[in-house]
Amino acid sequence: EAGVTQFPSHSVIEKGQTVTLRCDPISGHDNLYWYRRVMGKEIKFLLHFVKESKQDESGMPNNRFLAERTGGTYSTLKVQPAELEDSGVYFCASSQNMDGNSPLHFGNGTRLTVT
Amino acid sequence: AQSVTQLGSHVSVSEGALVLLRCNYSSSVPPYLFWYVQYPNQGLQLLLKYTTGATLVKGINGFEAEFKKSETSFHLTKPSAHMSDAAEYFCAVNMDTGRRALTFGSGTRLQVQP
Repeated sequence: EAGVTQFPSHSVIEKGQTVTLRCDPISGHDNLYWYRRVMGKEIKFLLHFVKESKQDESGMPNNRFLAERTGGTYSTLKVQPAELEDSGVYFCASSQNMDGNSPLHFGNGTRLTVT
Repeated sequence: AQSVTQLGSHVSVSEGALVLLRCNYSSSVPPYLFWYVQYPNQGLQLLLKYTTGATLVKGINGFEAEFKKSETSFHLTKPSAHMSDAAEYFCAVNMDTGRRALTFGSGTRLQVQP
């Protein structure tokens, strides 16, 4: 089966610009997650979709970040306007089940650099 | 609140030597514990997990970890390092309180010297 795919793999933008990251989860996985790793620190949770609904968005840093999952398939994460501190690697993950011991399948990440 | 501490952001071992990567957690309830590995230019891959039952958990590529409740630890070990083990390793915890978010440690980069 195809894994979780993320696009683009790298993005370099200037402060104030807009960037949209895309994640395609594994087919049939209702649960989709966004995580972020900033400057080699820990990987932090951003939000969790179950199908098209936001189950938990407690990790979203501020209202410059907007995540969508229309139709419950792929998801986008838009940053508008981007700030320097938004630089980092954004990971998407998916899982079939929602129980706490189900492993997450991660994509390769999108490396975002804001200059 | 749950948290994860990985001692040592960089660990270097010789090929064939024991690998020991440390992970301590704090959790108010029995946790689910995970180790993930990230190889260069790849996503995170699950190495092993502890949920319930046997406290010594075996994973892929010869890795294993032991859940020690009294020490709140979940250290990752491998008896003999291989060059292909060079990667970054992340410990993570989930308390399964209904919130599905994993809490990760800051990662340990393992270097294997020939």
